[in-house]
Amino acid sequence: NAGVMQNPRHLVRRRGQEARLRCSPMKGHSHVYWYRQLPEEGLKFMVYLQKENIIDESGMPKERFSAEFPKEGPSILRIQQVVRGDSAAYFCASSPILGGSRLGEQFFGPGTRLTVL
Amino acid sequence: KNEVEQSPQNLTAQEGEFITINCSYSVGISALHWLQQHPGGGIVSLFMLSSGKKKHGRLIATINIQEKHSSLHITASHPRDSAVYICAVPGNQFYFGTGTSLTVIP
Repeated sequence: NAGVMQNPRHLVRRRGQEARLRCSPMKGHSHVYWYRQLPEEGLKFMVYLQKENIIDESGMPKERFSAEFPKEGPSILRIQQVVRGDSAAYFCASSPILGGSRLGEQFFGPGTRLTVL
Repeated sequence: KNEVEQSPQNLTAQEGEFITINCSYSVGISALHWLQQHPGGGIVSLFMLSSGKKKHGRLIATINIQEKHSSLHITASHPRDSAVYICAVPGNQFYFGTGTSLTVIP
């Protein structure tokens, strides 16, 4: 059973370009979480999704950032018109169905390191 | 004030030492997570606990829900334990401590 997969592992973009980060949860997991880790800072929650639904996006910046988790395929975190301050490591985690609870153990992907030039 | 506070921020130990990392939180929770982030950046979930104590190899995690405090202990520390240890609590979202950077010297 493969773990949580993220790609690309490293992504370089110029200011103003779009960044698309993908996360494939573990088999059987229908809950996906995205976190951001800015340089020299701790992890920060961004968004919590279930299949085809955004459950909690309270940690997402109001502009330029969006996330989806379609019925088929990976979860996508999309950053439009990237700026240098978006440079960070973006981690995805997944957890299995636990009656809709988000308190269960989460399994983390290896992260995508985004560098904005 | 952060919802989750960890101490110490940095810790250097000699191989074989007993290590304790502390986590205090202010949100009401029913479970707490300890994570390990290696220098390469990958994150591993070590423990999820809601009461008492859990042990996995040389790692022991304890929690006191009433006092809103948890500790992570490493017995007989080894250089391969060098990593950042992060405490996380679920509330409306997941709240993370800033991490404790541990370096174990041979």
